[in-house]
Amino acid sequence: NAGVTQTPKFQVLKTGQSMTLQCAQDMNHEYMSWYRQDPGMGLRLIHYSVGAGITDQGEVPNGYNVSRSTTEDFPLRLLSAAPSQTSVYFCASSYLAGQGDEQYFGPGTRLTVT
Amino acid sequence: AQSVTQPDIHITVSEGASLELRCNYSYGATPYLFWYVQSPGQGLQLLLKYFSGDTLVQGIKGFEAEFKRSQSSFNLRKPSVHWSDAAEYFCAVGKPYNFNKFYFGSGTKLNVKP
Repeated sequence: NAGVTQTPKFQVLKTGQSMTLQCAQDMNHEYMSWYRQDPGMGLRLIHYSVGAGITDQGEVPNGYNVSRSTTEDFPLRLLSAAPSQTSVYFCASSYLAGQGDEQYFGPGTRLTVT
Repeated sequence: AQSVTQPDIHITVSEGASLELRCNYSYGATPYLFWYVQSPGQGLQLLLKYFSGDTLVQGIKGFEAEFKRSQSSFNLRKPSVHWSDAAEYFCAVGKPYNFNKFYFGSGTKLNVKP
């Protein structure tokens, strides 16, 4: 199993550009989530999904969209990037939703918005 | 409002010394509690978790944590630190009544002196 994979590893955007961060898992996990990590703030939940077709907002959802058309994939879209979205983004998944199961994290995407 | 507090931003210990990292949460009900470790440039790895039952939980790499309801704490301990333990440690909680939302503390960076 590859586990949780994220692409790209690094990305530089200009303000106003759009892009999609990709996340995929091959463990047949029900639950997937996106976090952003900023210095001194830990990880903050952006959006999560409890299964294909079901998504919900986390702590800091503004400026981000998600969809879950398959069990495996959970892309994160930035429609109009802003410097405040400069961060490291982590995708995570766990087997069952709603059970507080262990989350498996991807290696992260480092995004810089200029 | 911050629901998970890690009061120590940086801690330095000598190799072979004992370690305790502090974590406090602010929910009235008992949440699910987790400790994760992040090595530089990597994603997060679960060390241990507490859902219910025995308040002292054992994890990987020789770590343990104790849940104290009266103090709303879930401190991480290790009797003898190894140089390879140098990393950043995050406490996390699964929100009561909605275990699809997870909240992370701001992290404690551990340095290990030879």
